[in-house]
Amino acid sequence: GIQVEQSPPDLILQEGANSTLRCNFSDSVNNLQWFHQNPWGQLINLFYIPSGTKQNGRLSATTVATERYSLLYISSSQTTDSGVYFCAVELNDMRFGAGTRLTVKP
Amino acid sequence: DAGVTQSPTHLIKTRGQQVTLRCSPISGHKSVSWYQQVLGQGPQFIFQYYEKEERGRGNFPDRFSARQFPNYSSELNVNALLLGDSALYLCASSRRGGDQPQHFGDGTRLSIL
Repeated sequence: GIQVEQSPPDLILQEGANSTLRCNFSDSVNNLQWFHQNPWGQLINLFYIPSGTKQNGRLSATTVATERYSLLYISSSQTTDSGVYFCAVELNDMRFGAGTRLTVKP
Repeated sequence: DAGVTQSPTHLIKTRGQQVTLRCSPISGHKSVSWYQQVLGQGPQFIFQYYEKEERGRGNFPDRFSARQFPNYSSELNVNALLLGDSALYLCASSRRGGDQPQHFGDGTRLSIL
């Protein structure tokens, strides 16, 4: 089945710093989403981005489908950005990566 | 509009028992998917239903079953519970079966003693 690899596995930032999270996938996909899972376990949709670039406030994402990767950019990080960020891709079913655990310190 | 709603929020069972988890999709969404998330891992796909038909099944034993009702709500049943079934069970809905963004509920946290 399709493999999804996220990097880095852990990231610690000072408030105000910028970061880039990466998602590599092993096959062509129909769907790619980025999620933020908060400490209470809620999975929040960030982007639905099978290709191209999207921006939403301090967050933006780019997917290069032909090269099988996606990037999530977080600018001017805040403590509320802490949590686990998941990339999920869909071909026949949705496969999640192992996530990037982000900790933003005040 | 209400988001995806799941019930119950927490559940404690003992080994060998059976459990039923419930999910109501966003209004207008006809597809429901179920995922299992154990601590420290990403969610794992269990089932997808679209228009009351099973469209996909992940690598889970036959103890896991699901169905979708005419109002598009869904139930996940797990029989003969094992300690390893302790997890957060997430339900997601989308407008159609594929190529659509999925929206997740808050999950049911199942603990097996």
